[in-house]
Amino acid sequence: KNQVEQSPQSLIILEGKNCTLQCNYTVSPFSNLRWYKQDTGRGPVSLTIMTFSENTKSNGRYTATLDADTKQSSLHITASQLSDSASYICVVSGAGNNRKLIWGLGTSLAVNP
Amino acid sequence: SQTIHQWPATLVQPVGSPLSLECTVEGTSNPNLYWYRQAAGRGLQLLFYSVGIGQISSEVPQNLSASRPQDRQFILSSKKLLLSDSGFYLCAWSRLAGTAQTGNTIYFGEGSWLTVV
Repeated sequence: KNQVEQSPQSLIILEGKNCTLQCNYTVSPFSNLRWYKQDTGRGPVSLTIMTFSENTKSNGRYTATLDADTKQSSLHITASQLSDSASYICVVSGAGNNRKLIWGLGTSLAVNP
Repeated sequence: SQTIHQWPATLVQPVGSPLSLECTVEGTSNPNLYWYRQAAGRGLQLLFYSVGIGQISSEVPQNLSASRPQDRQFILSSKKLLLSDSGFYLCAWSRLAGTAQTGNTIYFGEGSWLTVV
């Protein structure tokens, strides 16, 4: 069964600190994995897209890693800012006959001053 | 640059009333268009997608329908709303066919909050 599980469900950190969000998936065959940022009440915004052969990809202070063997991904946020407060959603895309996007439930991040 | 507009932003509708949410994309042609729903505590659920004018694929059975009368216009409709239709509706677009191709970023609108009472 195609599943994407994210942890933790929610996280509170202080401004300036780093944090890492986790994503485990069972989607197979696998095509790519995406991380989205969704501010409350707004549409998701793409942060990164990684294919099977990519281990890491950065977008400013956001760095995503992918281990396709263990089917795990992480999103690392460096030097957090108040504006990083949002939900971060992991999305896995299947391939072949499994060509669909499987959305995780997201990790809700709150950055406090 | 490309932009996506979705309206209305919020609406409160009684059970049994009709629904029409509209979405337009500017700055690109032949986009793939999508309607998603995000219910509280649940992940995004793909409702409809379209690869061209008049071409609509439905992902889940429901009392909603979608139409694409023009290349960059996507409309979500219902003849009679149910309480369970409440949620956050998102229109989105992408450049490449399908949803599983490298670099096929999906761009979302600002969303429409629907409350059925």
